[in-house]
Amino acid sequence: AQSVTQLDSQVPVFEEAPVELRCNYSSSVSVYLFWYVQYPNQGLQLLLKYLSGSTLVKGINGFEAEFNKSQTSFHLRKPSVHISDTAEYFCAVSGVDNTDKLIFGTGTRLQVFP
Amino acid sequence: SAVISQKPSRDICQRGTSLTIQCQVDSQVTMMFWYRQQPGQSLTLIATANQGSEATYESGFVIDKFPISRPNLTFSTLTVSNMSPEDSSIYLCSVVGGGEAFFGQGTRLTVV
Repeated sequence: AQSVTQLDSQVPVFEEAPVELRCNYSSSVSVYLFWYVQYPNQGLQLLLKYLSGSTLVKGINGFEAEFNKSQTSFHLRKPSVHISDTAEYFCAVSGVDNTDKLIFGTGTRLQVFP
Repeated sequence: SAVISQKPSRDICQRGTSLTIQCQVDSQVTMMFWYRQQPGQSLTLIATANQGSEATYESGFVIDKFPISRPNLTFSTLTVSNMSPEDSSIYLCSVVGGGEAFFGQGTRLTVV
């Protein structure tokens, strides 16, 4: 079984500052990793995913994440945030079997201040 | 990719009643997943629905409260039974394919 830990429930940051949202996972099998964003009163939107290959994954809206197998981490980064990035961010993991369920972390609330 | 149609999109229900949520996928899938997102919380997996067999429930969820049907490879229903205000949540169905999960738009349930 897989599990995901998002240690930071809230991350406040000023506009144009860099940000890192942390995600660690646990699994006994190979995994796929995902970051989703949820804006207020909206559905989930996929930011990026790691399936295989390059450990640095680039996603939408200038976000990127790096898969680190030895540290079982998949931290999300953005070099310069905007007010519009204020949202809830969820890290998720699944096994590589195409029928495996997706397990979500508890989420990190990114609050960008002017 | 997969397109999922979920309905109803929202409902307000009286406590003690039941609501059935429907999920239709535009392609055949082996498994469908049902999630709950309580206010201000993350998504929690309720159960995995397989065609032709009983659904597999996660810890903390039981069939009597959340019965699931999976009559074919493109359709599933989740019923929230004997509702209480604590069941007020967004309920989502999901399928996976090609290393990606696809979600319905969700059913926003309010129990009064």
